Amino acid sequence: GAGVSQSPRYKVAKRGQDVALRCDPISGHVSLFWYQQALGQGPEFLTYFQNEAQLDKSGLPSDRFFAERPEGSVSTLKIQRTQQEDSAVYLCASSLGTRAQETQYFGPGTRLLVL
Amino acid sequence: AQSVTQLGSHVSVSEGALVLLRCNYSSSVPPYLFWYVQYPNQGLQLLLKYTSAATLVKGINGFEAEFKKSETSFHLTKPSAHMSDAAEYFCAVSGGSQGNLIFGKGTKLSVKP
Repeated sequence: GAGVSQSPRYKVAKRGQDVALRCDPISGHVSLFWYQQALGQGPEFLTYFQNEAQLDKSGLPSDRFFAERPEGSVSTLKIQRTQQEDSAVYLCASSLGTRAQETQYFGPGTRLLVL
Repeated sequence: AQSVTQLGSHVSVSEGALVLLRCNYSSSVPPYLFWYVQYPNQGLQLLLKYTSAATLVKGINGFEAEFKKSETSFHLTKPSAHMSDAAEYFCAVSGGSQGNLIFGKGTKLSVKP
């Protein structure tokens, strides 16, 4: 079956613009994670959904970042009033269950450049 | 709190040589450990994971890793490097009750012909 998909793959935004990044997880996967990967760094956790419930948003860097997964499948990460420091690759991952040892399957990421 | 340290941001080996990528972890509880590979402009792909079963874990593409609790290490090895192994490798530990991953900074592997 299809893996995790993300769109758009690339996004250029002017500082101050709002952006929305989409993630389509593997069908039937309960858990969904968002990560932010700055240039030359490892991914850093942003937020976690179990079905439609956002159980952990401790990694969101500011209140300009907002994520949702209203029907427990597709998720959207929204960044309001983008800043240059938001430039990064945003990765989405999904896993079948909720156990900590489950394999997370990653999408190709959305590369965001804020000018 | 869990953390991961990858020693060496860049490793270069010759084709056919041993690959050794180092990872040390810190965890207050028995850890779940992962190695992921990232090719340019692609997402991360799981190579292998340790989930408290066998300490020697075999993964895809001929890679393996050994969990050593006494050394808090989970180093990744491959006996013979191939050109297609050139990529960035990330070690991660599962943190939090829901399993969000905590990654190291990554090691970029170059393979010389």
